[in-house]
Amino acid sequence: EDQVTQSPEALRLQEGESSSLNCSYTVSGLRGLFWYRQDPGKGPEFLFTLYSAGEEKEKERLKATLTKKESFLHITAPKPEDSATYLCAVYSGSARQLTFGSGTQLTVLP
Amino acid sequence: GAGVSQTPSNKVTEKGKYVELRCDPISGHTALYWYRQSLGQGPEFLIYFQGTGAADDSGLPNDRFFAVRPEGSVSTLKIQRTERGDSAVYLCASGSGGDPDTQYFGPGTRLTVL
Repeated sequence: EDQVTQSPEALRLQEGESSSLNCSYTVSGLRGLFWYRQDPGKGPEFLFTLYSAGEEKEKERLKATLTKKESFLHITAPKPEDSATYLCAVYSGSARQLTFGSGTQLTVLP
Repeated sequence: GAGVSQTPSNKVTEKGKYVELRCDPISGHTALYWYRQSLGQGPEFLIYFQGTGAADDSGLPNDRFFAVRPEGSVSTLKIQRTERGDSAVYLCASGSGGDPDTQYFGPGTRLTVL
């Protein structure tokens, strides 16, 4: 059974204080790893897809990386508007469904 | 263009009642997914449609849950004899049907069963 574990559960940063969120996974045949951002009361918003180990993608202050066992979401010089829950999800095997982790709730203080 | 829309945004019902939740996908998207999200958890898969047919309903928790997509666009999730444990946010997503498919989510319907 696919498992996705995100850490930490919650993270508080000062504005400008860079950090990383972790997503570790145990799946049979990874076909894609997705990062989403979710604001309170809203649906998840797509950020990135990573397909193979060594791949990296960037968007503004966010950079996602992938290894054979985990993915990191690096946040450089965060701003208060980056505060949200960040969800990691995997696509594996022959299934057409995403398996999500429980998310990391990020708070960036001004 | 417009994103995925879901109605109603909130639904309060009594235990034992029947409810319908509606999803309008992004125009042109052939794949449609339903998920359920409990507080503090990530979304959990319920059912996947490719066109009009349910290609994978392995996530539906029991036979009280049913979903349709009769014309390959709008979908309705139907819950019979609701229970308090059904309270959650029900999320709909659509995609172009690729493999893997990038799924774009709607705002969700918050269901509360009293």
